[in-house]
Amino acid sequence: DTGVSQNPRHKITKRGQNVTFRCDPISEHNRLYWYRQTLGQGPEFLTYFQNEAQLEKSRLLSDRFSAERPKGSFSTLEIQRTEQGDSAMYLCASGFRTDTQYFGPGTRLTVL
Amino acid sequence: TQLLEQSPQFLSIQEGENLTVYCNSSSVFSSLQWYRQEPGEGPVLLVTVVTGGEVKKLKRLTFQFGDARKDSSLHITAAQPGDTGLYLCAGYAVSNYQLIWGAGTKLIIKP
Repeated sequence: DTGVSQNPRHKITKRGQNVTFRCDPISEHNRLYWYRQTLGQGPEFLTYFQNEAQLEKSRLLSDRFSAERPKGSFSTLEIQRTEQGDSAMYLCASGFRTDTQYFGPGTRLTVL
Repeated sequence: TQLLEQSPQFLSIQEGENLTVYCNSSSVFSSLQWYRQEPGEGPVLLVTVVTGGEVKKLKRLTFQFGDARKDSSLHITAAQPGDTGLYLCAGYAVSNYQLIWGAGTKLIIKP
């Protein structure tokens, strides 16, 4: 399968714990995006990498959130001190252009 | 603030009926994408429209970009249960190089 993959698919954690998600983009894609999506809403932009450089972060992104793409390939998204409001689907997408993005299956986070 | 408004938010119809979903904005986009998302999965890109007035067809789905590149529509002919899903539009704004997302239209096709 050469599509975007995300792990884990589901994560249940207790409030206050840290969680880390991984995204493996389509191999030749230089751009990688992270989004958050809640039920009944469209994806909300979190951050964007071009190769290993993090070029943009949403102003809505709390300092508890951090993302890396150390070698310009896979990326990780970490949430520290999780809160119940962090419960959502976290989506990763990759592409060559902003207007053509290919999404992974997402990681569903539930914070108890 | 750039917004993309989708309507209707929810649509439930019988198999075989036709339907149209709309995506509207006051902003001009250089391109607009339509995605379909199934529960528990990521959005899947259906089509990108670029030119004002452009019409693209994907089997029973017809996508149109408005002449002024501010709006788009998705028309489904003879809907089938397999068309059930969340349809999302996203517009690419050259002014700030961002992809602006609509909230989606949840479509249910009853057999």
